Amino acid sequence: GAGVSQSPSNKVTEKGKDVELRCDPISGHTALYWYRQSLGQGLEFLIYFQGNSAPDKSGLPSDRFSAERTGGSVSTLTIQRTQQEDSAVYLCASRPPLAGWAGELFFGEGSRLTVL
Amino acid sequence: AQSVTQLGSHVSVSEGALVLLRCNYSSSVPPYLFWYVQYPNQGLQLLLKYTSAATLVKGINGFEAEFKKSETSFHLTKPSAHMSDAAEYFCAVSATNTDKLIFGTGTRLQVFP
Repeated sequence: GAGVSQSPSNKVTEKGKDVELRCDPISGHTALYWYRQSLGQGLEFLIYFQGNSAPDKSGLPSDRFSAERTGGSVSTLTIQRTQQEDSAVYLCASRPPLAGWAGELFFGEGSRLTVL
Repeated sequence: AQSVTQLGSHVSVSEGALVLLRCNYSSSVPPYLFWYVQYPNQGLQLLLKYTSAATLVKGINGFEAEFKKSETSFHLTKPSAHMSDAAEYFCAVSATNTDKLIFGTGTRLQVFP
């Protein structure tokens, strides 16, 4: 498809399990972002990739959260030993190469994670 | 550091009434400002953006926003609400020298017939 694709769209897991969330950005987009959307909290920045490197990972809540990007394309967000407070919608966004400022981000529909 | 504050987590208007969603920003450098809309069970899409050109910015679906530096505001308006405008609206700020968008907590707009 032409848009940002995220999978799974819904994930229910038990506390303590590991989960992986996948993001497939728009072809040719060099920058990729992960945000977390919790009820009443707005969108919380997690990590940003430029190519395969992550210049800014300041938003990752704890060392249970990690992300990688390979081939300048697909990214995986991994949450280890999930906790109930990890329940949220995880949004991925990408943008084409642009000099300087952020410009428009193109968002996927998100992965809804529920930790029981 | 940059931040945005959206006043009012919920706004309700009647169909045909003026829509006003408030956003104030904080930025130590000239900001870029954005409004995004999220319809139920969908991702976010850009409504409009301010990038230091005209201070009055027009977006899709009849929305517009005015950048007021003296008030550090970027409020979103629409003269006449439509039922299809019911959604959650997010204000966001980016510094000119970073690539990270910082979002507000969102305002849910309800439109009554």
